[in-house]
Amino acid sequence: GESVGLHLPTLSVQEGDNSIINCAYSNSASDYFIWYKQESGKGPQFIIDIRSNMDKRQGQRVTVLLNKTVKHLSLQIAATQPGDSAVYFCAEKGNYGGSQGNLIFGKGTKLSVKP
Amino acid sequence: EPEVTQTPSHQVTQMGQEVILRCVPISNHLYFYWYRQILGQKVEFLVSFYNNEISEKSEIFDDQFSVERPDGSNFTLKIRSTKLEDSAMYFCASIRSKAGELFFGEGSRLTVL
Repeated sequence: GESVGLHLPTLSVQEGDNSIINCAYSNSASDYFIWYKQESGKGPQFIIDIRSNMDKRQGQRVTVLLNKTVKHLSLQIAATQPGDSAVYFCAEKGNYGGSQGNLIFGKGTKLSVKP
Repeated sequence: EPEVTQTPSHQVTQMGQEVILRCVPISNHLYFYWYRQILGQKVEFLVSFYNNEISEKSEIFDDQFSVERPDGSNFTLKIRSTKLEDSAMYFCASIRSKAGELFFGEGSRLTVL
């Protein structure tokens, strides 16, 4: 069946360093992937998405890489700041033909940024 | 910036009681969702709603759950007879179109005693 998971449950980085958060998915038919950030006590916040016809997409300080060969997704955060401390979830579109809001989330990686 | 709003932010209830969680999706959005997140676990899809009917639902969304859009702005999740395991954060979300970006509310924390 479908599953989305994360390699590392926690990640601690120094302020200013780059962060890389990884995610594996099992369904090769998945065509849409999203990264969300969740701060304590808040709802998930969209960071960046990518469709399966792309390998890389860049946003402001963030880059998502998609490797369909090994079914791997990563989120790179450049010059990590204390405000980036949160739990990061990858998600994939869970129902083909359905709306893009039906998502399967991974377990999450907690990013801690040390000043 | 438009946002999804949810009430209450926290509700404590006794097992067996009915609970209604309320959401006001972003005004020009057409697809509405409920997700839940048990403490420390991942966010799980419950149900999607479009054109005044359920379009998709997960195995979690059993007969104890129902959703309704009683007027042009509110979207509610009802749990008929709460169980201890229903304790979780419940997130409402909405998107403008079938292929749009999903926006989440801040969540409603439900504690069942």
